[in-house]
Amino acid sequence: AQSVTQLDSHVSVSEGTPVLLRCNYSSSYSPSLFWYVQHPNKGLQLLLKYTSAATLVKGINGFEAEFKKSETSFHLTKPSAHMSDAAEYFCVVSEGDDKIIFGKGTRLHILP
Amino acid sequence: EAGVAQSPRYKIIEKRQSVAFWCNPISGHATLYWYQQILGQGPKLLIQFQNNGVVDDSQLPKDRFSAERLKGVDSTLKIQPAKLEDSAVYLCASSTSGGLSYGYTFGSGTRLTVV
Repeated sequence: AQSVTQLDSHVSVSEGTPVLLRCNYSSSYSPSLFWYVQHPNKGLQLLLKYTSAATLVKGINGFEAEFKKSETSFHLTKPSAHMSDAAEYFCVVSEGDDKIIFGKGTRLHILP
Repeated sequence: EAGVAQSPRYKIIEKRQSVAFWCNPISGHATLYWYQQILGQGPKLLIQFQNNGVVDDSQLPKDRFSAERLKGVDSTLKIQPAKLEDSAVYLCASSTSGGLSYGYTFGSGTRLTVV
């Protein structure tokens, strides 16, 4: 059975400092992994996805994530936070077409 | 490209009333999904359609929730009667095929408050 755990429900960083949002997964097969962002009153937007190609995945808005099979992790990072990054972030695991599991989300706060 | 359209944006109803949500997916997207997102949680899949057929409704509370996609395009999700715990954002998504790797797009959602 597949599952996904976002290790922090809230993360606060100062503007201009690095961002790290942690995600661990469990999957019986080779999963596809995704990060989505949700701004207030907006739809979910795909940041990046891993589908068994390169383990370091670059996404939009300067975000990237590294797939580490040995650690079953897919942490999201960004070198320098911007105020506009404040939002809810979801790690998602997918096995094939019909099993999609969202994490509970991490709310990112950016301090001025 | 137009996105996934949902209406209404907000709805407030009393418990035991009924409510319906509407979703218009991206043109040409065969697969349509309804999710429930309770405050503080990630979205949970309620039902998945492929064209006008149901692929997965294992997490749909069928005693009170129903959904249809009659012509394989628009879809409606209904709750009757509503309970307090149904308060959530209801998200619609569509994709060209099944799975998140295939142009999966979410709508902005309908925020339901049951009082």
